[in-house]
Amino acid sequence: GAVVSQHPSWVICKSGTSVKIECRSLDFQATTMFWYRQFPKQSLMLMATSNEGSKATYEQGVEKDKFLINHASLTLSTLTVTSAHPEDSSFYICSAPREDTEAFFGQGTRLTVV
Amino acid sequence: QKEVEQDPGPLSVPEGAIVSLNCTYSNSAFQYFMWYRQYSRKGPELLMYTYSSGNKEDGRFTAQVDKSSKYISLFIRDSQPSDSATYLCAMSKTGNQFYFGTGTSLTVIP
Repeated sequence: GAVVSQHPSWVICKSGTSVKIECRSLDFQATTMFWYRQFPKQSLMLMATSNEGSKATYEQGVEKDKFLINHASLTLSTLTVTSAHPEDSSFYICSAPREDTEAFFGQGTRLTVV
Repeated sequence: QKEVEQDPGPLSVPEGAIVSLNCTYSNSAFQYFMWYRQYSRKGPELLMYTYSSGNKEDGRFTAQVDKSSKYISLFIRDSQPSDSATYLCAMSKTGNQFYFGTGTSLTVIP
């Protein structure tokens, strides 16, 4: 089946530094990818839609200068958390729809900012 | 009103029980319906995918979509402790924007 790979699965960084998370579709091309944030025992919160070859679309309340998204190719989208602070600690998940139908998720990245 | 409503549970059942998980929605334009299973600290895993109305069966899992009632269900037969997870329903109009339920936490007791 289709696979979406996300890397790293777990990262700890110091406050003020930046962290890059990669999301790859391994056996299909994805012109669109989605980035979510999930707090413990809560559902997924859509942060932004990553579009290949154009700017990402951010949900209301999400700072685009803080969460930089780059959809470099049809199989890769990256999310960079810039100047990370402890409140940015969360579980970040990407997903990619295959052929505009079912969506597949990456394994998620647990970010801890200390 | 939220686009998708899902009872968060928690739901606790004995091993071997039949589990019924449900979601309701308000937008009649939804055409694609999905169920995901998420283990703690892992990304959601696609379990079932259904287009339009009807039933779909895969092993111990059955997904039902009733578009007239705007209601979808996931049934798990002969539930196992390994089924203990959070189950998320999701739906989409076109495949480019997905709406998720809040997830139902399920525990299957041995």
